Amino acid sequence: SQQGEEDPQALSIQEGENATMNCSYKTSINNLQWYRQNSGRGLVHLILIRSNEREKHSGRLRVTLDTSKKSSSLLITASRAADTASYFCATDASRGAQKLVFGQGTRLTINP
Amino acid sequence: GAVVSQHPSWVICKSGTSVKIECRSLDFQATTMFWYRQFPKQSLMLMATSNEGSKATYEQGVEKDKFLINHASLTLSTLTVTSAHPEDSSFYICSAPRGDSGKNIQYFGAGTRLSVL
Repeated sequence: SQQGEEDPQALSIQEGENATMNCSYKTSINNLQWYRQNSGRGLVHLILIRSNEREKHSGRLRVTLDTSKKSSSLLITASRAADTASYFCATDASRGAQKLVFGQGTRLTINP
Repeated sequence: GAVVSQHPSWVICKSGTSVKIECRSLDFQATTMFWYRQFPKQSLMLMATSNEGSKATYEQGVEKDKFLINHASLTLSTLTVTSAHPEDSSFYICSAPRGDSGKNIQYFGAGTRLSVL
């Protein structure tokens, strides 16, 4: 079942602006991950944040995690047209099963 | 980085026929693989967990006789959509987790778009 809720469902901004996407989840987690999906393709892992971390950076990506609110945000700074894609958060709740539960996703469009 | 190959990328078939989709881990062994289904503009829906050398674990509501999964080696899992019907048309994606210190990062195939006429 999909436990993650993401907002907004769709986001359209101008190139160069920052894009922020939010994710909420329901159960306790080991880590939370963000993936990117270009249209009609598979998903690509972007960044992972562990449950004991509050913020993580990777290039133009910044992820925050608030376990008390069961929420995370992904910030893409200085957006580019090539960042146009769908972005999904995924939670890893079980050490054994290796299953990830994906959020509903945010469709990001960067206008040149 | 780890690579997962999925084949075919696109298939059209007649109603009533069966279609096999392959998912291969190219540079690592995967005792577990996952199969997802994705409808347009929606998220991934986990269908089943493929376990090497044993039966797959299906999610609730997924017909195991309809979606046959075989994981006969450490690098290959197959999903067979049996007696396909138009409602089975969808985008199917596989993934495999790679060890990486227990981080459970999933590596995805490029997906298979199935169109049943």
